Amino acid sequence: QVQLQESGPGLVTPSGTLSLTCSVSGASISGSNWWSWVRQAPGKGLEWIGEIYHSGSTQYNPSLKSRVTISVDKSKSQFSLNLTSVTAADTAVYFCARSPRGPFDSWGQGTLVTVSS
Amino acid sequence: QLVVTQSPSASAPLGASVKLTCTLSSGHTTYAIAWHQQQPQKGPRYLMTIKSDGSHDKGDGIPARFSGSSSGAERYLIISTLQSEDEAVYHCQSWGATRVFGGGTKLTVL
Repeated sequence: QVQLQESGPGLVTPSGTLSLTCSVSGASISGSNWWSWVRQAPGKGLEWIGEIYHSGSTQYNPSLKSRVTISVDKSKSQFSLNLTSVTAADTAVYFCARSPRGPFDSWGQGTLVTVSS
Repeated sequence: QLVVTQSPSASAPLGASVKLTCTLSSGHTTYAIAWHQQQPQKGPRYLMTIKSDGSHDKGDGIPARFSGSSSGAERYLIISTLQSEDEAVYHCQSWGATRVFGGGTKLTVL
């Protein structure tokens, strides 16, 4: 059974870069799946940020595209999120998730990132 | 533009049944959707995928009292014999060029 675990700083300063890593176990990151980042601001719904395939192909939410980079490290079975120029509006719980191109069928437990000075 | 819409809240008594609705935007009424359950202070959990013909594929370990159906642009999640642990936010998700979520429906078990 696949397991996903997010890790990274819980506090980021405004205008800085938010960096998170998702570690994948129980399944090959090189399989036929897309690997996504999703976030949830306090009291709000889910927002898809973007995704990556093991080949390195990416797709991003147009509303965040200018600030987002997602990368994959197959040797470590990890994929990562970089979000630049953060503001308080980027404060959220960040989830990583797996999708066999369609629904998200596995989720991480999430990690809270607060943007504050 | 693909958009999915959900009612913000629903409620039903313990032991009863409830039907949650997810509505696809015009031009996308044949799309499949997925339902995810998010219990308080937890990450989402995949429940099932529902296609336009009403067929549905459930995630591993999802109880039989969770089922789905479809009518036109609407996709439904039906929960029968409600239990206290079913109190959660239920998220509708669809996909096309991008992936989208509805705003979530908070289900209260009375």
